[in-house]
Amino acid sequence: DVKVTQSSRYLVKRTGEKVFLECVQDMDHENMFWYRQDPGLGLRLIYFSYDVKMKEKGDIPEGYSVSREKKERFSLILESASTNQTSMYLCASSHRHREEETQYFGPGTRLLVL
Amino acid sequence: AQSVTQLDSQVPVFEEAPVELRCNYSSSVSVYLFWYVQYPNQGLQLLLKYLSGSTLVKGINGFEAEFNKSQTSFHLRKPSVHISDTAEYFCAVKGPGGGYQKVTFGTGTKLQVIP
Repeated sequence: DVKVTQSSRYLVKRTGEKVFLECVQDMDHENMFWYRQDPGLGLRLIYFSYDVKMKEKGDIPEGYSVSREKKERFSLILESASTNQTSMYLCASSHRHREEETQYFGPGTRLLVL
Repeated sequence: AQSVTQLDSQVPVFEEAPVELRCNYSSSVSVYLFWYVQYPNQGLQLLLKYLSGSTLVKGINGFEAEFNKSQTSFHLRKPSVHISDTAEYFCAVKGPGGGYQKVTFGTGTKLQVIP
């Protein structure tokens, strides 16, 4: 069974803290993605990576950075958390060379920034 | 550019009644279309997808969707819903081609099944 796991289901942080969200997939996928999900806005792409050490900005990269040192792991970093980054964060992965394939999602991390 | 519109943010329906969740898309090229379901406090999981061929696509849990190119729609249907179908449903569109092609998600429709 395919699996995408995220390090935390719930996280509470203070404004200004540095926050790390980790995502691991066991499907040998090249592509990995970070989305944030907010009510009424659906899913918005923050960053994606198509290979180790490669990254591309999505639609809303401001305030975030990412790291992909190993193929199976993709980290999202909030350099200085702010209250407007309170959200649900979803990680996903997919094959790079199978254009018809769907993305597989992790269970999500609900982040609250106080 | 591609976009997805889910006009209904919430759809209440009685148990065992039929339901249709609407999705319209726009794209200048041919696309792949997906429906995902998100149960409370979980990630998204694939319900069904349209790639090519038959316009009627069957998915898991008794759901089906029909691709209508002329109306640029991909509505999701189920003839008889259960309480367990209460969830949020997302329509998504993806362009063809290798490598990475952006997936655009709709804003979601919350299906509330009433006992």
